[in-house]
Amino acid sequence: NAGVTQTPKFQVLKTGQSMTLQCAQDMNHNSMYWYRQDPGMGLRLIYYSASEGTTDKGEVPNGYNVSRLNKREFSLRLESAAPSQTSVYFCASSELAMNTEAFFGQGTRLTVV
Amino acid sequence: KNEVEQSPQNLTAQEGEFITINCSYSVGISALHWLQQHPGGGIVSLFMLSSGKKKHGRLIATINIQEKHSSLHITASHPRDSAVYICAVNLDGGAQKLVFGQGTRLTINP
Repeated sequence: NAGVTQTPKFQVLKTGQSMTLQCAQDMNHNSMYWYRQDPGMGLRLIYYSASEGTTDKGEVPNGYNVSRLNKREFSLRLESAAPSQTSVYFCASSELAMNTEAFFGQGTRLTVV
Repeated sequence: KNEVEQSPQNLTAQEGEFITINCSYSVGISALHWLQQHPGGGIVSLFMLSSGKKKHGRLIATINIQEKHSSLHITASHPRDSAVYICAVNLDGGAQKLVFGQGTRLTINP
């Protein structure tokens, strides 16, 4: 009963380094999401994929890219990390179009120094 | 102005107290979610509702679609209920995105 698996759990990057956050779900959901959570702010949508083969920008897409590798996997890439990208990142999956609940990964705490 | 507003932002209570957290939204929605996040932890779904009321153990969630308002109640609160409670809405019109409130930090003291 894995649900949504997100890796890594913690990461420290230097400014300018790149990295990819991995996310996989085993619930056969069509829709997957990447959010960031910052102190004093609600979760903000970075990118989402309503279905396999499609991706769309969310509220805060600058500095990020995504790949919907297949129905299970949705990765988030930081090409050149900046201190402003220090945050906690959450992956989620759902069938929101059918008004079902959303399932979240455990989060990745990223620090860019 | 945020599309989803929660109140209060912080709430401290004694064990056993009845807790109410409120969520108001200003957009058309197809459903509303209540989520729970423990310190340093992941986010779990407590309820999803589009009308009426749902109950799970000591937790009760209600929604009034006409007034665009939802409440989360906790009866007989316990220190393990200490967490951030987040309200989120599915936007109406087919947009497959959740819009989140800022969360309510609840602390229950023994």
